Amino acid sequence: GIQVEQSPPDLILQEGANSTLRCNFSDSVNNLQWFHQNPWGQLINLFYIPSGTKQNGRLSATTVATERYSLLYISSSQTTDSGVYFCAVSPGGSQGNLIFGKGTKLSVKP
Amino acid sequence: EAGVTQFPSHSVIEKGQTVTLRCDPISGHDNLYWYRRVMGKEIKFLLHFVKESKQDESGMPNNRFLAERTGGTYSTLKVQPAELEDSGVYFCASSPISGLAGGRYNEQFFGPGTRLTVL
Repeated sequence: GIQVEQSPPDLILQEGANSTLRCNFSDSVNNLQWFHQNPWGQLINLFYIPSGTKQNGRLSATTVATERYSLLYISSSQTTDSGVYFCAVSPGGSQGNLIFGKGTKLSVKP
Repeated sequence: EAGVTQFPSHSVIEKGQTVTLRCDPISGHDNLYWYRRVMGKEIKFLLHFVKESKQDESGMPNNRFLAERTGGTYSTLKVQPAELEDSGVYFCASSPISGLAGGRYNEQFFGPGTRLTVL
């Protein structure tokens, strides 16, 4: 089956720093989503981005489907950005179920 | 518009007991998915409903798990009898239109999860 690899697994930043999180996937996909898991364990939708580039405030994402990777950019990080960031994809030919990566755990220090 | 809701938020039961988790999807969403995250592992797909029909249950771990979606609205996931390894967080997600739309599956929206602890 499709493999979803996220890097780095852990990231520590000072408040105000920028960061890039990466998601590599091993096959074609029909859906790609980025989530932020908050301290209460809830999965918050960040981007639905099977291809192209989107921006939402300090966050932006780019998916290059032909090269099988997606990037999540966080600029001017804040302590509230801390948590785990997940990338999830729906493989081509699937029924839409998402395959999750293991996540990147981000800690933003004040 | 209300999001995906799940009940209960937490459940603590003893091995061998039965537990039923409930998910209410966003109104009008045909697709309903169940996922779970057991300790230290990644979030994994369990099954997928389109309206009231099971579209894909390839992720269900064994026959102790039974999912239903009555009338294509809310869904329940029953674990009977529960085992220690069933402990984890069970997520439900929904998305609007079944099948591919413009070559893409629709965005899924997740509920807050049910944390299940089996002692």
